[in-house]
Amino acid sequence: NAGVTQTPKFRILKIGQSMTLQCTQDMNHNYMYWYRQDPGMGLKLIYYSVGAGITDKGEVPNGYNVSRSTTEDFPLRLELAAPSQTSVYFCASSYRGEQYFGPGTRLLVL
Amino acid sequence: GQQLNQSPQSMFIQEGEDVSMNCTSSSIFNTWLWYKQEPGEGPVLLIALYKAGELTSNGRLTAQFGITRKDSFLNISASIPSDVGIYFCAGQDYGGSQGNLIFGKGTKLSVKP
Repeated sequence: NAGVTQTPKFRILKIGQSMTLQCTQDMNHNYMYWYRQDPGMGLKLIYYSVGAGITDKGEVPNGYNVSRSTTEDFPLRLELAAPSQTSVYFCASSYRGEQYFGPGTRLLVL
Repeated sequence: GQQLNQSPQSMFIQEGEDVSMNCTSSSIFNTWLWYKQEPGEGPVLLIALYKAGELTSNGRLTAQFGITRKDSFLNISASIPSDVGIYFCAGQDYGGSQGNLIFGKGTKLSVKP
């Protein structure tokens, strides 16, 4: 069991560029989440999904999009990167309310 | 919206000392979770609590779900250098948005050998 995996580990983007952060879980969890973590802060929910084909906005969805075509994958898309999106992004999946996190993607937008 | 107050913000302790941190909420939660995050890694689940008053241990870690359902604490006994990291509490309200977690801002623990 690899658990939750995320790629890439680190990326530098120029303002206005787009990219997709990948997230895959092999635990057959229905619920998946994307968070961002800024220095000294907790985790803020961007988007979540309760199953394939179903997604919903979290606390800070602006500037992001998601899709969930399979149970395993939950990619996060940034269409027009902005400096405010510099952060560490974590994907998680959950069972019985217990969320399990990936190792994170560190994104720097310059 | 719901907020979690986690304290203290940071702690500097000597190896061997016991540690206590807590979280309080403005509203009731049905589940409390405690996570540890080490530098460059994602949060790792330490303890999950499901019932008011529940006291659960995981090795040297003990956590309790407050009777009012608005608070939880985490104790670490006989701290060691590898306890260093940021500890997050998280609460879950099943009456809310699909049971999403609300996170505290973390307690940064430093252990001096």
